[in-house]
Order: sequence, then C-alpha cells, then structure tokens
Amino acid sequence: EVQLVESGGGSVQPGGSLRLSCAASGFTFNIYSMNWVRQAPGKGLEWVSYITSSSSTIHYADSVKGRFTISRDNANNSLFLQMNGLRVEDTALYYCARGFQWAFDMWGQGAMVTVSS
Amino acid sequence: QSALTQPPSASGSPGQSVTISCTGTSSDVGGYNCVSWYQQHPGKAPKLLIYEVSKRPSGVPGRFSGSKSGNTASLTVSGLQAEDEADYYCTSYAGSNSWSVFGTGTKVTVL
Repeated sequence: EVQLVESGGGSVQPGGSLRLSCAASGFTFNIYSMNWVRQAPGKGLEWVSYITSSSSTIHYADSVKGRFTISRDNANNSLFLQMNGLRVEDTALYYCARGFQWAFDMWGQGAMVTVSS
Repeated sequence: QSALTQPPSASGSPGQSVTISCTGTSSDVGGYNCVSWYQQHPGKAPKLLIYEVSKRPSGVPGRFSGSKSGNTASLTVSGLQAEDEADYYCTSYAGSNSWSVFGTGTKVTVL
C-alpha cells in the first residue's frame, strides 16, 4: 500500500524543539521530492518546506526559516523536520506530502504539534 | 509571500456547477502554469484534484476542471454531488525564492 505516516508530534513549551518523521512505503521514495505542509487548528493550509529527491535543493517558508530544518534518509525511506525555537504560532497539524509536477499528490494523516506554556 | 485569495464560501444545489477563484500575482499564479487544487473533508488529509492548472490525476472525476486567466485560476465542479461538500484550496509555484503558496481556502456547501 502506498502511504506516508508521520510521527513525532507532541506538546512542547515555547522555545522548545521537536523532530517530526515521515515514513514512506509502497513507492520509490528516492525519486520524489518531498514537502512539509501544516494546518493550524481551524485554519488553512500553509506550505512549510521542500526538499528534492537528492537533498540538493531545499526551501523554507519565511515563517520557519532559520528555525526548522528538513532532511531525508533515502536508504530508510524517511523524511524529517527538525523544529527548534518553537513558537505558539507553530501549533498545527503537520503533513508530509509527496511532490509531483509542482503539486502535492500524496499526503500523510498528519502529526499534531502543540506549542504552549 | 502572501496567501492566494479565494472566496471564503461557495454553494450550489445538487447537479449544478460551482466555480472557485484563486487570485494571485504575476509572481505566482500569473507567472507559471503550476497551479494545483485540493479537496479536504473535515478531519481528513487534503486530496489532489488538479495539477498544472488543468490536469487531473487518475481517479479524479471529470466533474472537476481547472483553468487560468492572467493572475486568477479557477476550479469548476460540475454536476455537484453531496460528497463534494468540503474545503477547497489552491496552490501555486511562486518562484525559487518563495517556492509555494496556498490559497486561503473555500468552503463549498451543497444545498
């Protein structure tokens, strides 16, 4: 079965850190670009970060630049998002999404991150 | 990078058509044929409906169609069905500096 499964979410205080993981299965992970997209409770979608198949190109939204780091392990079909300096406004459901022709053609079910004191 | 502008809501009766707009700038929607559309039901992950302005992935019904004129892209849902009631989002490639930007989202109600 083709799927993406996120893990690593949780509750953290402002200024804290979390590392999200996304396990891919059922497709050739190492030929696809990958993304993180988030959705704050009751709000719309926000693109967070992008990484090419070989990790040669990486992009971040201005809202997370300098605080979040995207990476991948093609040998283990995994995508990661290291989140440091977390803020209350980072509270959201974080989706990993497969890249396809400038779109996101496959999504996981999301990992919830709550930043609160 | 500012979010693309969508109407907050749209509605139609079963069998009718509804069109959702997605307005950006020449730096995103107007500059590239890289607009995609997503459907999201409550509590579910988004689902890709349209990519590259007007292309449908396999499995997406032909009732969903996309187009673009200038800085505005549009999604049309023809022959509305009850299961089309959901939130819809557009997104566009926004250049090598900003990469990707989503629309504000539109809630479609089937009357």
